[in-house]
Amino acid sequence: AQTVTQSQPEMSVQEAETVTLSCTYDTSENNYYLFWYKQPPSRQMILVIRQEAYKQQNATENRFSVNFQKAAKSFSLKISDSQLGDTAMYFCAFLRLEVGSEKLVFGKGTKLTVNP
Amino acid sequence: NAGVMQNPRHLVRRRGQEARLRCSPMKGHSHVYWYRQLPEEGLKFMVYLQKENIIDESGMPKERFSAEFPKEGPSILRIQQVVRGDSAAYFCASSPNKGGGSNQPQHFGDGTRLSIL
Repeated sequence: AQTVTQSQPEMSVQEAETVTLSCTYDTSENNYYLFWYKQPPSRQMILVIRQEAYKQQNATENRFSVNFQKAAKSFSLKISDSQLGDTAMYFCAFLRLEVGSEKLVFGKGTKLTVNP
Repeated sequence: NAGVMQNPRHLVRRRGQEARLRCSPMKGHSHVYWYRQLPEEGLKFMVYLQKENIIDESGMPKERFSAEFPKEGPSILRIQQVVRGDSAAYFCASSPNKGGGSNQPQHFGDGTRLSIL
């Protein structure tokens, strides 16, 4: 079974600075997707960024980028120029790319606080 | 294009009552997923449905929980004889096709917060 581990329960960063959230996962699969979801205090689940395992290039979405290290099974999220609105829980998630398996497996989350 | 709609946003039930949670997927989406989030935890998969079919219910508790996605109308997650431990946020997600992967990611609703008194 796949597992996702987020080793940082809480982190904080000053506004405008850069922060990196860690995520590691365990799988024997070769093809899969990885995601970062954001859950602000309003409790919505918002997709931040996604990565396909067969793509070597790291995904980037504006201020958000990932460092995908497939051999190390690591998928960290970097937030540049942090803003107060980035304060939220961040969840790393894994999805197998295989017929018959459609469930996202989530980590326990990292609570990020951006301080003014 | 409206997103995934869940209702109610908050639901309070007494122990022993039934809870019904509704989810209308995004327009054009025929695949629905239910997840449960306990306090201070990540989301845990419960069930995956297509219209009129349960595809994967490996995350559903064996008793008291059921889910359906009829030909017409929203998907329903039903919890009978609720207990305190059922208190959680229940999220629904939808995708237009199987997998909900990178090209067609799962889009989440705002969740239903279930509180059991």
